Amino acid sequence: AQKITQTQPGMFVQEKEAVTLDCTYDTSDPSYGLFWYKQPSSGEMIFLIYQGSYDQQNATEGRYSLNFQKARKSANLVISASQLGDSAMYFCAMREGLTTGGGADGLTFGKGTHLIIQP
Amino acid sequence: GAVVSQHPSWVICKSGTSVKIECRSLDFQATTMFWYRQFPKQSLMLMATSNEGSKATYEQGVEKDKFLINHASLTLSTLTVTSAHPEDSSFYICSVITPGQGAGETQYFGPGTRLLVL
Repeated sequence: AQKITQTQPGMFVQEKEAVTLDCTYDTSDPSYGLFWYKQPSSGEMIFLIYQGSYDQQNATEGRYSLNFQKARKSANLVISASQLGDSAMYFCAMREGLTTGGGADGLTFGKGTHLIIQP
Repeated sequence: GAVVSQHPSWVICKSGTSVKIECRSLDFQATTMFWYRQFPKQSLMLMATSNEGSKATYEQGVEKDKFLINHASLTLSTLTVTSAHPEDSSFYICSVITPGQGAGETQYFGPGTRLLVL
């Protein structure tokens, strides 16, 4: 079974509208972290937002917010007031087995969503 | 966040040659770095975990003798693709972990290296 599922291969959104990118995950580990990255055509991976499994509140970073629904194992990214520069691939990722001060494991990525913002 | 560089950004080589890719953490001492590979229109796949001063840990299906990793210092990890073949053509990208609040570690990525093997 896939650990990270992104069901939207592509999305077209009008500029200035809000957009929600879906992400569901699968883990039996009680301690994990969820990440969203943006990858423009240049290829660089830009960190957007992080949510820990024990965090009580949904993470927010500027125009980005993470709608974390733990019981449903869902971690959707919400981009408010979309801009043309938001057009890119967006990846949801997870790291399992987090421990305070250590436990360095790599990320497992979803297949990504190609977001295109239209003027 | 951490600043990570990679060199070279582009490399084209002949089949059978070896290629070395460097990953540097410019403002942070990283005991652990990660190497990922991304084929066109696909997601990133973790190849290996690079540990400073010790052997790298490879993911299942990644040949450790083909992808040599050396983490000689707290700021430098190198990935050498030995005897490269066209199927090794890919986007190779490294990352470093920075500690956060509690378990809130974050991975920052380098700009990546595009390898084309002819």
